[in-house]
Amino acid sequence: SYVLTQPPSVSVAPGQTARITCGGSSIGSESVHWYQQRPGQAPAVVIIFDSDRPSGIPERFSGSKSENTATLTISRVDAGDEADYFCQVWDGNLYVFGSGTKVNVL
Amino acid sequence: QVQLQESGPGPVKPSETLTLTCSVSGYSISSGYYWGWIRQSPRLGLEWIGTIFHNGNTYYNPSLKGRVFISVDTSKNQFSLNLTSVTAADTAVYYCARRAGGSGSYFAPWGRGTLVTVSS
Repeated sequence: SYVLTQPPSVSVAPGQTARITCGGSSIGSESVHWYQQRPGQAPAVVIIFDSDRPSGIPERFSGSKSENTATLTISRVDAGDEADYFCQVWDGNLYVFGSGTKVNVL
Repeated sequence: QVQLQESGPGPVKPSETLTLTCSVSGYSISSGYYWGWIRQSPRLGLEWIGTIFHNGNTYYNPSLKGRVFISVDTSKNQFSLNLTSVTAADTAVYYCARRAGGSGSYFAPWGRGTLVTVSS
């Protein structure tokens, strides 16, 4: 089955930039969506269709994609950004989620 | 504002059927969109279970096909999940969510989730 690969964790100091990658063999041809999940809460989208921000999501959150890798970038990180982040695609047969990346704010 | 709420009977014994219902408020299921079930466990992470349209059109995760059935009750503005022959591997937090847009789209919003434990 299709696999989306994410690093288990990313650590970043407040005010710095966090970059979370999502690798997949055919990501280049699929729309990638990103979710934030805070402890005890359900996932919520922060980036849709590779690089669009849903209403209410700060400009600090941005998405990009290149060949087989999608990247979620969080600028000027603050303590409120500490959470798990997941990528998601539709592979033509099923919805696939990445394994998740925990962002630790130092 | 669309809101979703999962409900279910609690713990389930191995080999039994897991049944969950998602109640939707703030939007009529009959008006459109697909509606889905997703589960999350430490072992498998986030796993899509299946999705249903208001006319009953469904599609399921192939890894669960044969055990999963999703139905919709537009009169109650609810949709339901049945998962048969459960094992400990089906222990997870189960979420219901609305799929936005076409097949390549994302899920939003989500319910708060309900923990289902499979144990004898």
